[in-house]
Amino acid sequence: EVQLVESGGGLTQPGGSLRLSCAASGFTFSSTWMDWVRQTPGKGLVWVSRISPDGSTTRYADSVKGRFTISRDNAKNTLYLQMNSLRAEDTAVYYCASDIGTYWGQGMLVTVSP
Amino acid sequence: DIVMTQSPDSLAVSLGERATINCKSSQSILNNSNNKNYLAWYQQKPGQPPELLIYWASTRESGVPDRFSGSGSGTDFTLTISSLQAEDVAVYYCHQYFGTPLTFGGGTKVEIK
Repeated sequence: EVQLVESGGGLTQPGGSLRLSCAASGFTFSSTWMDWVRQTPGKGLVWVSRISPDGSTTRYADSVKGRFTISRDNAKNTLYLQMNSLRAEDTAVYYCASDIGTYWGQGMLVTVSP
Repeated sequence: DIVMTQSPDSLAVSLGERATINCKSSQSILNNSNNKNYLAWYQQKPGQPPELLIYWASTRESGVPDRFSGSGSGTDFTLTISSLQAEDVAVYYCHQYFGTPLTFGGGTKVEIK
């Protein structure tokens, strides 16, 4: 059974940091492009970042470039999103997803508020 | 950036009737080298992550009922639910993966009339 299990979300103040993790199982994680996608409550889906299977290529949405860092540990089958300098507008449910969105995590709420 | 525009924003369809959702991209998402359209459709129910229905514009994901079908090429795409069932009530999104930034349509809410 394929699983993507996210952890690390929660409440932080503006300017704070959080690191999201996404533990993968049931598919060949090390061969798969991975994405982070976020969704503001009641709103649509917004792509955040992408990483290649070997981690050598990363891409970011302009809104998070320079603040967020995507990475992966293929030995641990885990995807990460380091989020720094968080803003109120980063408040959302964050999903990890495999290439083309074949598999999705259950979502992790990140709230940035004083 | 490739802008994905979905229509309508919402629609109400009687059980057993056809539902049609349109998606237009601001530029072609057809890769001429492999003749593939980099377009996917997702279904999202409240409190759940999106679920992949269709990829490459018309390839149904394994396990997806055959009442769901995708069509179109270039910039204009359609998701059709041939006979709406109660369990199909959800928000549907189109998504282009032709290039970064990856982008999604705004979503179409499907309800029962």
